[in-house]
Amino acid sequence: QVHLVQSGAEVKKPGASVKVSCKASGYTFNNYGISWVRQAPGQGPEWVGWINPQSGKRNHAQKVQGRVTLTTDTSTSTGYMELRSLTSDDTAVYYCVRGELWFDYWGQGTLVTVSS
Amino acid sequence: QTVVTQEPSFSVSPGGTVTLTCGFSSGSVSTTSYPSWYQQTPGQAPRTLIYNTDVRSSGVPDRFSGSILGNKAALTITGAQAGDECVYYCVLYMSSAMWFGGGTKLTVL
Repeated sequence: QVHLVQSGAEVKKPGASVKVSCKASGYTFNNYGISWVRQAPGQGPEWVGWINPQSGKRNHAQKVQGRVTLTTDTSTSTGYMELRSLTSDDTAVYYCVRGELWFDYWGQGTLVTVSS
Repeated sequence: QTVVTQEPSFSVSPGGTVTLTCGFSSGSVSTTSYPSWYQQTPGQAPRTLIYNTDVRSSGVPDRFSGSILGNKAALTITGAQAGDECVYYCVLYMSSAMWFGGGTKLTVL
């Protein structure tokens, strides 16, 4: 069965960076994209971006343009999302999900809190 | 800025049928918008119900179905149950990005 297991919660100060990992299992990692979705407290989900592990092609939302880097390590079937220059608006649960045009399996979520 | 619209709330009687819709504030939804639908209960990760317009995700009962109705995507729930009471989100593809709707809070009463 497909599993996406994410790294643990993070607390960061404004201006810092965070890197969240997502280890996939139960399927051929290279055959599916990995997307990242975030959900701020009390808000709906918001797409952050996606990456194709096989081609390395990636895309991300304009809102995080220039601050986000999505990568994958195909040797360990792990995806990573790094977000820089954090502000309080980045406080959210970050989910990794399998897929590019739709999301069929979800990680458990990683709470990133940005606070001084 | 692309905006995806959903009904903020909807109510259905137990055993009844309800259709939730998902559209663009400007433009029409088609199969190339790759509409998908997700169910979320408080404190939990979203659960995938429907993807690529009308494909049910693994384990999703056939009470849930997806379609295109006019210029919108639609999620129809038949035989509504108390456990269906939660928030439903749709996602659409446009301009190389994925856009979430604001969600529909479904009440079963």
